[in-house]
Amino acid sequence: SQTIHQWPATLVQPVGSPLSLECTVEGTSNPNLYWYRQAAGRGLQLLFYSVGIGQISSEVPQNLSASRPQDRQFILSSKKLLLSDSGFYLCAWSVPGAGVPTDTQYFGPGTRLTVL
Amino acid sequence: GNSVTQMEGPVTLSEEAFLTINCTYTATGYPSLFWYVQYPGEGLQLLLKATKADDKGSNKGFEATYRKETTSFHLEKGSVQVSDSAVYFCALIRSGGYQKVTFGTGTKLQVIP
Repeated sequence: SQTIHQWPATLVQPVGSPLSLECTVEGTSNPNLYWYRQAAGRGLQLLFYSVGIGQISSEVPQNLSASRPQDRQFILSSKKLLLSDSGFYLCAWSVPGAGVPTDTQYFGPGTRLTVL
Repeated sequence: GNSVTQMEGPVTLSEEAFLTINCTYTATGYPSLFWYVQYPGEGLQLLLKATKADDKGSNKGFEATYRKETTSFHLEKGSVQVSDSAVYFCALIRSGGYQKVTFGTGTKLQVIP
């Protein structure tokens, strides 16, 4: 069966510090991968998605970046955190299938980031 | 563009009450529709889905019917429990291309004993 892991589970960082959040998927190959952010009391905002190694698309301009160094690894980074980067970060994966909008996205447990 | 509109919460119900959470959507083509649930401190879990008009998704006593004529996918449960307290997200996946999901803002449900 497939599983998705995220770490760390919680993180408190000062403004201006760097960030690295990691997401890994097990039990599937060549998944589509996604990073979402959920700010307090708000819905989910898609930040990045990837359909393959080294292929990253950004949905929202910001000081965050994403990388996919391996097929089942997705990393969210920042060189300098802002207060507004605080939130709950969710990684998700889905089975690739261009033109087939029926498949589900499966979410990881999330990372709660607090920037002070 | 695509969008999902959910009723605003929080919704507070007594145990065994009937639940309806409204969801309407705007989308081109024929999207698939989903309800996700997020329990406190956790990630999102798929609750149910429907992939074409008039389909009914169901799971754990929850149901939702894909109504193309009213562009709606309302979530219902006949008798809620305290353990159903969570945030519920309506979502759609647009047809064509990769699977980009559009989420609603979420509706918080609190069930009191």
